[in-house]
Amino acid sequence: DTEVTQTPKHLVMGMTNKKSLKCEQHMGHRAMYWYKQKAKKPPELMFVYSYEKLSINESVPSRFSPECPNSSLLNLHLHALQPEDSALYLCASSQATDSNEQFFGPGTRLTVL
Amino acid sequence: KQEVTQIPAALSVPEGENLVLNCSFTDSAIYNLQWFRQDPGKGLTSLLLIQSSQREQTSGRLNASLDKSSGRSTLYIAASQPGDSATYLCAVGVGGATNKLIFGTGTLLAVQP
Repeated sequence: DTEVTQTPKHLVMGMTNKKSLKCEQHMGHRAMYWYKQKAKKPPELMFVYSYEKLSINESVPSRFSPECPNSSLLNLHLHALQPEDSALYLCASSQATDSNEQFFGPGTRLTVL
Repeated sequence: KQEVTQIPAALSVPEGENLVLNCSFTDSAIYNLQWFRQDPGKGLTSLLLIQSSQREQTSGRLNASLDKSSGRSTLYIAASQPGDSATYLCAVGVGGATNKLIFGTGTLLAVQP
């Protein structure tokens, strides 16, 4: 299995809602990443997990809360988002964080009303 | 601060043509460089990874080169096909142990049948 999966594919939420994005990989990778991509822009790194521990937080607002319950799963909990948070959220994984190739999932298209 | 630029921003070619996409970066202290393709509204597909110690990588009709000293990478696509139409992104790895990727601005490629 060489795939990164993400659920849901699409999500519409109000500013007072709480929702979660999920990412899963079964390649035995020990590093996982969250990226945010606005329309017609390149992806921007949000968080990096290495061996289930948070190693990078790119000054992301606290309304985004990542969680890595085990080596195969990565969640992104969303609360009190703003319309400008609407974007494609991409998950990626790599064997480790030492200059390894990153593999991306299909993304979750998030719309905040 | 590392900045990654891709030229041209958009390219349209007839089917069968060989083409070159360019990627430039401002800081030569990179760990690796990765080329991706992205179809509209989709995730990223990894095409090639070049480690900082390497000069080029090949996969099928694709060949990527890396010149760290001049801050440049090129992606050569041979015998282009309509199915190659997509946005191509280069990303430089700057984090070492954190494997942080900084993405270029992308080249939108259209291969006309």
